[in-house]
Amino acid sequence: DAGVTQSPTHLIKTRGQHVTLRCSPISGHKSVSWYQQVLGQGPQFIFQYYEKEERGRGNFPDRFSARQFPNYSSELNVNALLLGDSALYLCASSFGGGYLYGYTFGSGTRLTVV
Amino acid sequence: DQQVKQNSPSLSVQEGRISILNCDYTNSMFDYFLWYKKYPAEGPTFLISISSIKDKNEDGRFTVFLNKSAKHLSLHIVPSQPGDSAVYFCAASALETSGSRLTFGEGTQLTVNP
Repeated sequence: DAGVTQSPTHLIKTRGQHVTLRCSPISGHKSVSWYQQVLGQGPQFIFQYYEKEERGRGNFPDRFSARQFPNYSSELNVNALLLGDSALYLCASSFGGGYLYGYTFGSGTRLTVV
Repeated sequence: DQQVKQNSPSLSVQEGRISILNCDYTNSMFDYFLWYKKYPAEGPTFLISISSIKDKNEDGRFTVFLNKSAKHLSLHIVPSQPGDSAVYFCAASALETSGSRLTFGEGTQLTVNP
């Protein structure tokens, strides 16, 4: 059974550009969350979607947006990229709330902004 | 404001001995706590969780202890194995105030020496 898949795995963008990151959750999982992990720190919550509705947003600027599709896959969009957006972007899925049984994370997309 | 802190960036233990990883938190609304393990180039993998109504949860070699009065939790790995070498993240959620989003600590690099 496929785990959480993210694409692309690596990406290099220039400051000011736009980027779209994609995530396919585990089959049957309806909740998708996005996290940003900067080198040397723990993952930081960006968004959560459940049944295609936004259920939570972290402390990130409006340049960050996301959506969830009818098949529960998700996209994370970042506009006007800054050098500080360079990070590992992780997608996590769960059947319902992952607070007790844990979210399943993908391997992430490594974004480098130059 | 770092609500979840892992004060030890690294820990080194001998194979077969006990590994104890510590985590402190400040938000009294946290009601679920989780531990994740992360290998390089992979996403975090869920290990074990505990609800705030419990003080101990055990799963095989892994045991998590929660001391609510001290706002402290720890992960014990017994016996430690070289394959346990990874970065360990403590995470917490506050369902009532923040939904099921996870707040992570900075991580502790565990090295188990053969």
